[in-house]
Amino acid sequence: GPKVLQIPSHQIIDMGQMVTLNCDPVSNHLYFYWYKQILGQQMEFLVNFYNGKVMEKSKLFKDQFSVERPDGSYFTLKIQPTALEDSAVYFCASSSSGGNYAEQFFGPGTRLTVL
Amino acid sequence: AQSVTQPDARVTVSEGASLQLRCKYSSSGTPYLFWYVQYPRQGLQLLLKYYSGDPVVQGVNGFEAEFSKSNSSFHLRKASVHWSDSAVYFCVLRRNSNNRIFFGDGTQLVVKP
Repeated sequence: GPKVLQIPSHQIIDMGQMVTLNCDPVSNHLYFYWYKQILGQQMEFLVNFYNGKVMEKSKLFKDQFSVERPDGSYFTLKIQPTALEDSAVYFCASSSSGGNYAEQFFGPGTRLTVL
Repeated sequence: AQSVTQPDARVTVSEGASLQLRCKYSSSGTPYLFWYVQYPRQGLQLLLKYYSGDPVVQGVNGFEAEFSKSNSSFHLRKASVHWSDSAVYFCVLRRNSNNRIFFGDGTQLVVKP
């Protein structure tokens, strides 16, 4: 079936550095999402993105976070600067529509460790 | 307020046995409910979804779920599990007013041979 890819699968960085997480969504999808899962906790919504704009974001989506999808390439989540509490697995998802019943296809996650 | 509770963090069953994974939800509006499965080192995959109609919905690989408005539940069932069903299962709620979705904590299913 359709697959969402995430690059890299693991990333280790020092606190204060910048990191970019990359998501390659399903090719004809138009809606994109990021979720954050801290070890042992629930997966939580961060942001959704459509037509070049953030449509909705949660309180977890701090000012240090930004998303973009330049020219139909990767959908990226950038954190600058990183903090220790940003350590988590970040999941990207995409869907063909924004309807409530639309299936979101998830990537395998990027495990971010901030030292 | 919207929330999803999966009361069982881990369920262990023998191969061939029947299975029920529990999910309770809280929603102020019409709930859209989903079950996803996550195999190791893979993304979440949709098993089934429910919005309206027949409260028992069929999914892939012999899974089904039953929606109960009175019990605020959406339990996942399978008549006979296989070792390959071992994975983490997430119950997911989506509000009907926007695209935000809410995840349960997940239930780790272990199928013993």
